Amino acid sequence: AQSVTQPDIHITVSEGASLELRCNYSYGATPYLFWYVQSPGQGLQLLLKYFSGDTLVQGIKGFEAEFKRSQSSFNLRKPSVHWSDAAEYFCAVPGYSSASKIIFGSGTRLSIRP
Amino acid sequence: NAGVTQTPKFQVLKTGQSMTLQCAQDMNHNSMYWYRQDPGMGLRLIYYSASEGTTDKGEVPNGYNVSRLNKREFSLRLESAAPSQTSVYFCASSEGGETNEKLFFGSGTQLSVL
Repeated sequence: AQSVTQPDIHITVSEGASLELRCNYSYGATPYLFWYVQSPGQGLQLLLKYFSGDTLVQGIKGFEAEFKRSQSSFNLRKPSVHWSDAAEYFCAVPGYSSASKIIFGSGTRLSIRP
Repeated sequence: NAGVTQTPKFQVLKTGQSMTLQCAQDMNHNSMYWYRQDPGMGLRLIYYSASEGTTDKGEVPNGYNVSRLNKREFSLRLESAAPSQTSVYFCASSEGGETNEKLFFGSGTQLSVL
């Protein structure tokens, strides 16, 4: 069955430091993969998505993610975080027998240290 | 452009009461979804509607019913609320299909069942 695991519940980084959020997936075929961000009190917003092709995907707000099939990972990165990046981040994969339903990981809460 | 609109934003119910959460999207999307978000568990799919006139169960459908009233509107009903249904509920929509799974989310409904 398709699933996604985010091993880090909460991460704190200093403003200006680099960031990497981990995501591991289980999927029967070449996966579609997504990262979403949820700011406090808001719904989720798509950061980036991987469907095929280049394994390094660029997203909005300066984020990127790299698909590594050998490690079943799709980690999210940003070279230099800003205080406004404090939010919860969710990795997601399509679920069930159709790609029309999305399964989300449990999320990683990012705090920024001034 | 309002996107996905959910009402109400907050609701407190007593055990056994019923209520309907309303959701409407103005993006002419085919697919609509209801998720619940609980601490440490990410988002779990309750029901979805791949297209107008169809609805299907998600991961946690027990205790809920849905109606896809038309292409714009997708409501979620709790017939007899239970404390276990205390959660934040999100409605989402997408164009649908395997290669276009960008979900657009409403801002959520915070429901407490006493």
